[in-house]
Amino acid sequence: GVTQSPTHLIKTRGQQVTLRCSSQSGHNTVSWYQQALGQGPQFIFQYYREEENGRGNFPPRFSGLQFPNDSSELNVNALELDDSALYLCASSVGGAPDYEQYFGPGTRLTVT
Amino acid sequence: AQTVTQSQPEMSVQEAETVTLSCTYDTSESDYYLFWYKQPPSRQMILVIRQEAYKQQNATENRFSVNFQKAAKSFSLKISDSQLGDAAMYFCAYRSFSGGGADGLTFGKGTHLIIQP
Repeated sequence: GVTQSPTHLIKTRGQQVTLRCSSQSGHNTVSWYQQALGQGPQFIFQYYREEENGRGNFPPRFSGLQFPNDSSELNVNALELDDSALYLCASSVGGAPDYEQYFGPGTRLTVT
Repeated sequence: AQTVTQSQPEMSVQEAETVTLSCTYDTSESDYYLFWYKQPPSRQMILVIRQEAYKQQNATENRFSVNFQKAAKSFSLKISDSQLGDAAMYFCAYRSFSGGGADGLTFGKGTHLIIQP
């Protein structure tokens, strides 16, 4: 399945953070979502074959990387208190909308 | 931009009974996909059921079925014979067809389903 690390993370405002995701084998698409407490997930961006091909309403300090070995990263610079949330990655076998997305358990980020 | 609204923050049902979760959405598109996801307390989101907008027939998956009303932009989830394991947050989600999938999923705020033993 899809795994994420770390499970929990505490950072200070202004710092930078990297969250990691390991996709299911053979999946060439990974999406990242931010889920604030009591809210539904919000789409951050999607990577297809190591290129960003879609982005939600998030500023450029949210960036990502996708590697050929089924792993990917979400990087957030200049952390703000509002960045505190559960970050979910989801992988799929393709980028088309009818492909099922498989979610990881998430990384809980707390910014103090 | 598309929006998804779940008007029931919390629902409670007796074990073995039937419960219906509501979802409405707003879009100007004619082709899209709708989903119900389940997020148990362990947090891993699981797909429950999906519906393609071009299909008139309502999707069913075992005890889970949907009532898809395209003109009304309504997409409710019915859970029959509720079980304790059904307790979770349920999210309704929309995905555009025209974006080729690059737009990601748009989620509602969720409904917390409680199963009373």
